[in-house]
Amino acid sequence: DTVLTQSPALAVSPGERVSISCRASEGVNSYMHWYQQKPGQQPKLLIYKASNLASGVPARFSGSGSGTDFTLTIDPVEADDTATYFCQQSWNDPNTFGAGTKLELK
Amino acid sequence: QVQLEESGPGLMQPSETLSLTCTVSGFSLTSNGVGWVRQPLGKGLVWMGTIWAGGSTNYNSAVQSRLSISRDTSKSQVFLKMNSLQPEDTGTYYCARHYYDGTYYYWGQGVMVTVSS
Repeated sequence: DTVLTQSPALAVSPGERVSISCRASEGVNSYMHWYQQKPGQQPKLLIYKASNLASGVPARFSGSGSGTDFTLTIDPVEADDTATYFCQQSWNDPNTFGAGTKLELK
Repeated sequence: QVQLEESGPGLMQPSETLSLTCTVSGFSLTSNGVGWVRQPLGKGLVWMGTIWAGGSTNYNSAVQSRLSISRDTSKSQVFLKMNSLQPEDTGTYYCARHYYDGTYYYWGQGVMVTVSS
């Protein structure tokens, strides 16, 4: 299975820019997607196919990358962005998720 | 308005068979796939399987021998059955609309399942 590696946690101050990385153990073309999950809630799709903003998602969120290295950027970070962010690849079967990056605000 | 809602028992005994139902509204099961994703407490997400618009299914090989996904299109319901439950099957089970690009745009609220004797 394709393993997606994410940093466990990040801490940033409101108003700053944050980049969350996801590295795949093998190429996934551009089929990398990003989700936000707040405690007690279901995941929410933010970015699909590496760089496309999902409907209703603020333009503060953006995605980039291809192949094996991908980044989710939030600029500027707001207090409401406190959550865990998961990457997911759907190029290789089975589709797999990263372990998540917990974003905390200082 | 697209909605998905999972239902099922919250507590199971080891070796039992889990049966979950996902009731959808706002879209047709004959035009869209629905997948099941599990999340152990405090951990990441794991795709378990999907039933596609045409009725075909795909399963994660890790659970394929124990898992069955079916549907009743007339009731807009998707069913998950998994046998030989073990404590490591404990977690929150989500159903989600599974798009052909692999994304999950709409999710249910999830149902917590605990496997314990």
